[in-house]
Amino acid sequence: SAVISQKPSRDICQRGTSLTIQCQVDSQVTMMFWYRQQPGQSLTLIATANQGSEATYESGFVIDKFPISRPNLTFSTLTVSNMSPEDSSIYLCSVAPRHTEAFFGQGTRLTVV
Amino acid sequence: GNSVTQMEGPVTLSEEAFLTINCTYTATGYPSLFWYVQYPGEGLQLLLKATKADDKGSNKGFEATYRKETTSFHLEKGSVQVSDSAVYFCALSDQAGNNRKLIWGLGTSLAVNP
Repeated sequence: SAVISQKPSRDICQRGTSLTIQCQVDSQVTMMFWYRQQPGQSLTLIATANQGSEATYESGFVIDKFPISRPNLTFSTLTVSNMSPEDSSIYLCSVAPRHTEAFFGQGTRLTVV
Repeated sequence: GNSVTQMEGPVTLSEEAFLTINCTYTATGYPSLFWYVQYPGEGLQLLLKATKADDKGSNKGFEATYRKETTSFHLEKGSVQVSDSAVYFCALSDQAGNNRKLIWGLGTSLAVNP
């Protein structure tokens, strides 16, 4: 299994500002995944972060809006830039160390006002 | 592409009632199938999984059988408890090459009343 610590757990931010979400895993993993869960919606994959290379973004998500860092095999950050109320969501960090089961952090509940 | 269609909620049941949450999928190849649960205020956690046709995943009294002929993975529990109140997500793994993305259903909210 993997234990993921994600912070902050929640935040209320002003539009136009940026928020960086941190994700720490208790073991080394090759890939870390960032998801968005909008109110009443399912999970949508934003990007996959590999250590030592650029993150791979899904359709509809761009690096300028959601820059990701992956400095080592246990840590990643996701920044939500130039926020608008439409960015209000739960953001989730995930890993799948055994390739068959995904583990999730508690999520970051973001409200943009 | 691969997709998951999940029964819409919310579902409201009385304690000890029988639960079924339907999940059907479309996929090429042979994906693994999962049910995840999100309890109020908590993160997502794996409830059960099945990796090949006719496999039955089970955990905490919940069961789901991987049915290739009907492309389904319905979640069932014979007698629900108040503590089962949560949102349940069906998912399948997209394992083309090194791609290990999960494809998610919309989630079904379950409320169990005493």
